[in-house]
Amino acid sequence: GEDVEQSLFLSVREGDSSVINCTYTDSSSTYLYWYKQEPGAGLQLLTYIFSNMDMKQDQRLTVLLNKKDKHLSLRIADTQTGDSAIYFCAVTGGGNKLTFGTGTQLKVEL
Amino acid sequence: NAGVMQNPRHLVRRRGQEARLRCSPMKGHSHVYWYRQLPEEGLKFMVYLQKENIIDESGMPKERFSAEFPKEGPSILRIQQVVRGDSAAYFCASSHDRGGDEKLFFGSGTQLSVL
Repeated sequence: GEDVEQSLFLSVREGDSSVINCTYTDSSSTYLYWYKQEPGAGLQLLTYIFSNMDMKQDQRLTVLLNKKDKHLSLRIADTQTGDSAIYFCAVTGGGNKLTFGTGTQLKVEL
Repeated sequence: NAGVMQNPRHLVRRRGQEARLRCSPMKGHSHVYWYRQLPEEGLKFMVYLQKENIIDESGMPKERFSAEFPKEGPSILRIQQVVRGDSAAYFCASSHDRGGDEKLFFGSGTQLSVL
């Protein structure tokens, strides 16, 4: 089955850029998502990218997709303390059964 | 337009009791998905339902767990004779269609604690 991996922790200073990385195994994944989970809350869909795209930008968020290497990244520009959360990468092949990574805990320090 | 509604937010059960988790999808959505998040892990797919039909239950434990999505009312995830290992956050998501490219919208989850 699909395997999605992320590093567990990332610490950045406020105002710096954050880059959260994700690798996956199934090359047939059609949509790739980034979700944000704040403590005690559900998942908030941040952004997504279709597999025929290399890059997608949405305000402070930039998603980069390298299909050859099966590597997805999320860049957050000008990271703020409110960005502290767990970020999940998720991928889907046919249908809507998402496979999630284990999440990256982003800590933003002053 | 309300989002995906799950209740209760927190549920405490003793070992051997039954847990019932409810999920009302977004208005106009007829596809419901249940995911489980164990402590410090990602979300794992459990089951995918349409109205009155279970489409994919490949992630459901074979015993004690069942799910339904009746014609009227919310989707229910039912766990019989709960054990401590069932303690987790259970998330429901809904989509308008199946399509493979339909975005899923998640609820805030139900935190189940088994004493």
